[in-house]
Amino acid sequence: SAVISQKPSRDICQRGTSLTIQCQVDSQVTMMFWYRQQPGQSLTLIATANQGSEATYESGFVIDKFPISRPNLTFSTLTVSNMSPEDSSIYLCSVEGLMNTEAFFGQGTRLTVV
Amino acid sequence: GQQLNQSPQSMFIQEGEDVSMNCTSSSIFNTWLWYKQDPGEGPVLLIALYKAGELTSNGRLTAQFGITRKDSFLNISASIPSDVGIYFCAGHPKKAEGGGATNKLIFGTGTLLAVQP
Repeated sequence: SAVISQKPSRDICQRGTSLTIQCQVDSQVTMMFWYRQQPGQSLTLIATANQGSEATYESGFVIDKFPISRPNLTFSTLTVSNMSPEDSSIYLCSVEGLMNTEAFFGQGTRLTVV
Repeated sequence: GQQLNQSPQSMFIQEGEDVSMNCTSSSIFNTWLWYKQDPGEGPVLLIALYKAGELTSNGRLTAQFGITRKDSFLNISASIPSDVGIYFCAGHPKKAEGGGATNKLIFGTGTLLAVQP
């Protein structure tokens, strides 16, 4: 399985500011995925990031709020823009395995907005 | 949209007991995955299932892909304190047209497992 590193692991941010989360993979992958896990909840897919094209967002998530970059096959960033306390969540980066069925996750970024 | 209903929501058991949890859907899934999440960590894949009826083990864990392709269960035998965590089922739903799976992974609601030594 791929080794996925996320930075930062946690942060406390002021409302109205933006935070960019980085995800680095130790091998080249076609698709990278960003999930949100609200406190005590399950994981919800935010968007799929493909290298060389715009990210594909799921219903309820928009590019202005969660801009994503995918400059190469091993790296992606997710920005949480104009944050409010409701954005306090764990944000997780994920990649698919060789079978394109399993998903492997980074350790997540725990964001608290005050 | 598709949902995965996972039960029970939580379990509080004694060390050594067996555990069973399941996941159901109103629609067909092409794969079923079971994950465990420890506090402060991302989910870790435990077992992956690819075919209806498939029964797969990983140590003390056993999972099955339901015949109808709309459900899956995970059993943990002889639980130990380090089994504590949140367990999630997840799956790739079948595409509306054609037989392939979608890339989108749908997660269940999670089962919180507490094991008392």
